[in-house]
Amino acid sequence: GAVVSQHPSWVICKSGTSVKIECRSLDFQATTMFWYRQFPKQSLMLMATSNEGSKATYEQGVEKDKFLINHASLTLSTLTVTSAHPEDSSFYICSARYIGDVAYGYTFGSGTRLTVV
Amino acid sequence: DAKTTQPPSMDCAEGRAANLPCNHSTISGNEYVYWYRQIHSQGPQYIIHGLKNNETNEMASLIITEDRKSSTLILPHATLRDTAVYYCIVRSAGQAGTALIFGKGTTLSVSS
Repeated sequence: GAVVSQHPSWVICKSGTSVKIECRSLDFQATTMFWYRQFPKQSLMLMATSNEGSKATYEQGVEKDKFLINHASLTLSTLTVTSAHPEDSSFYICSARYIGDVAYGYTFGSGTRLTVV
Repeated sequence: DAKTTQPPSMDCAEGRAANLPCNHSTISGNEYVYWYRQIHSQGPQYIIHGLKNNETNEMASLIITEDRKSSTLILPHATLRDTAVYYCIVRSAGQAGTALIFGKGTTLSVSS
């Protein structure tokens, strides 16, 4: 249980275009989802926290107008990278909090490799 | 979150036990120790967590010292598929609505 499906697993786009990444909770309702970014040989960096039905909270240094997050339902959160540039190339990972046997836990999507050319 | 310190890398022979240490000397009484791992180009995966007592599940064992200032994750019979970055995270139940914050972790390399 507590599975998060993330799509696409990889995407290549041209500089200046926008890319949408989807994160779906398959067997539970995710009131809170998190988005991370990971550069090569680095750890995961939290980008933002999204709560269903409200605006996302962005971490310091993350451009909210560039990384649009929508969490319109209890099972879907999307991250749109707008006007992507090569420096946005990275591994993006979503995560959701769930209530389980251990009171609460965190499950992660499989990640999206974004390459901007 | 209490600060954690992990060695940057470790090696282990396939079939042997992998013992990954984590120091968390500033841990508070209500903070749990969590372990996650990330296999290359995948999302992190939960392994195990504990508060005071040693814990064991189908993946690993967690040994927490009596003073709770350090812990060890044990993979009893490491396989090549256990090659990954292992993250030790300390947090309280009261942080349930907040994201996990990842440090640099330990890169475990299992070789045949």
